[in-house]
Amino acid sequence: DSGVTQTPKHLITATGQRVTLRCSPRSGDLSVYWYQQSLDQGLQFLIQYYNGEERAKGNILERFSAQQFPDLHSELNLSSLELGDSALYFCASSVSGYTDTQYFGPGTRLTVL
Amino acid sequence: GQQLNQSPQSMFIQEGEDVSMNCTSSSIFNTWLWYKQDPGEGPVLLIALYKAGELTSNGRLTAQFGITRKDSFLNISASIPSDVGIYFCAGRPEYNNNDMRFGAGTRLTVKP
Repeated sequence: DSGVTQTPKHLITATGQRVTLRCSPRSGDLSVYWYQQSLDQGLQFLIQYYNGEERAKGNILERFSAQQFPDLHSELNLSSLELGDSALYFCASSVSGYTDTQYFGPGTRLTVL
Repeated sequence: GQQLNQSPQSMFIQEGEDVSMNCTSSSIFNTWLWYKQDPGEGPVLLIALYKAGELTSNGRLTAQFGITRKDSFLNISASIPSDVGIYFCAGRPEYNNNDMRFGAGTRLTVKP
């Protein structure tokens, strides 16, 4: 158990819909990262937040957005969903967000029908 | 963005054999990490490397931070069935310490 929690574990929705994925970092970690992993693909970095502020952006679509709240939990919002958005979405956390290591949550499996 | 080049893509080995995999980049990296991912689970950190030339072990696993800072290696000795999974390398490039790049993974199958 990494100490990072993600909800829900599974999500099935239809094209055009909007969903919210939730992540709680490890106790004491200030940085949260979001990743997308498509079937048999590597991890694609989406976005990073540090202590409530956006720190870095990766391959995140404009239809996707995220935020980190004062209690440090984070939400990833995916809108106007397309079939190709079906994937595992992982959240990771780290203490500071620079050279320290990241610890991953169990992931949310999103299926868009 | 540019991902890391990880090889081999997959390996099929007999229990007891040693395994080697590597990760390369065209850019210099400050940090190299190795993760293992089981089906339906999140990646679990195995080894973290922070200095060129660093050699670090975690049980039967040994990883090295390449001298050129453009590569890293992971070795697994005396493989066992529970080593099955996907191994990912990851790293922070020197040109952007906020960024984390991942390899596509090495899928390891261990035959008893």
